[in-house]
Amino acid sequence: NAGVTQTPKFRVLKTGQSMTLLCAQDMNHEYMYWYRQDPGMGLRLIHYSVGEGTTAKGEVPDGYNVSRLKKQNFLLGLESAAPSQTSVYFCASSTQGVWTEAFFGQGTRLTVV
Amino acid sequence: QQPVQSPQAVILREGEDAVINCSSSKALYSVHWYRQKHGEAPVFLMILLKGGEQKGHEKISASFNEKKQQSSLYLTASQLSYSGTYFCGTELGLSGGSNYKLTFGKGTLLTVNP
Repeated sequence: NAGVTQTPKFRVLKTGQSMTLLCAQDMNHEYMYWYRQDPGMGLRLIHYSVGEGTTAKGEVPDGYNVSRLKKQNFLLGLESAAPSQTSVYFCASSTQGVWTEAFFGQGTRLTVV
Repeated sequence: QQPVQSPQAVILREGEDAVINCSSSKALYSVHWYRQKHGEAPVFLMILLKGGEQKGHEKISASFNEKKQQSSLYLTASQLSYSGTYFCGTELGLSGGSNYKLTFGKGTLLTVNP
């Protein structure tokens, strides 16, 4: 049981390039989240999804797009990367109902130069 | 809106106690607590729902004051393994349920020394 898997783990981009981060979960979870983590800022919610085919904006959505075409996958896209998007990105998933914890992937360290 | 955590950092000696606070300006449905070790992913500790019940790690406890929209995490008789950054995550209340947005605070860095 792999849990939540993020691909890639590390990436360096040039300003203006585009890329997609993939999050895959094998726990049949309904909810999925993308966060970015910067020093002193904690985990900030970028976008989230409450089910296949649905997405919603979080606290810092500008410059990012997401898609959830399949229940197990949640993609985060950067259309034109900027140095301000240098960060560690975490994906998380959880299931419906009470007493449900969020399971996190191992993170993607992205550097935009 | 990110919940507000305090303190930002705390240093303990092994065996000492600590309290980490989390507050929100909006009505909460639940409060989650996670711990993150350096270079690793956050790991679940505990969740508290409206009604004051708690569930989670047996050596770490927490409370949830619905009226004040505040939660506190209690670490007693701290161990070296408690070191890390603690995050509270909150789901806002929406018509008796959750809005499903799990939003985290900026974290509290806990260091336990021998």
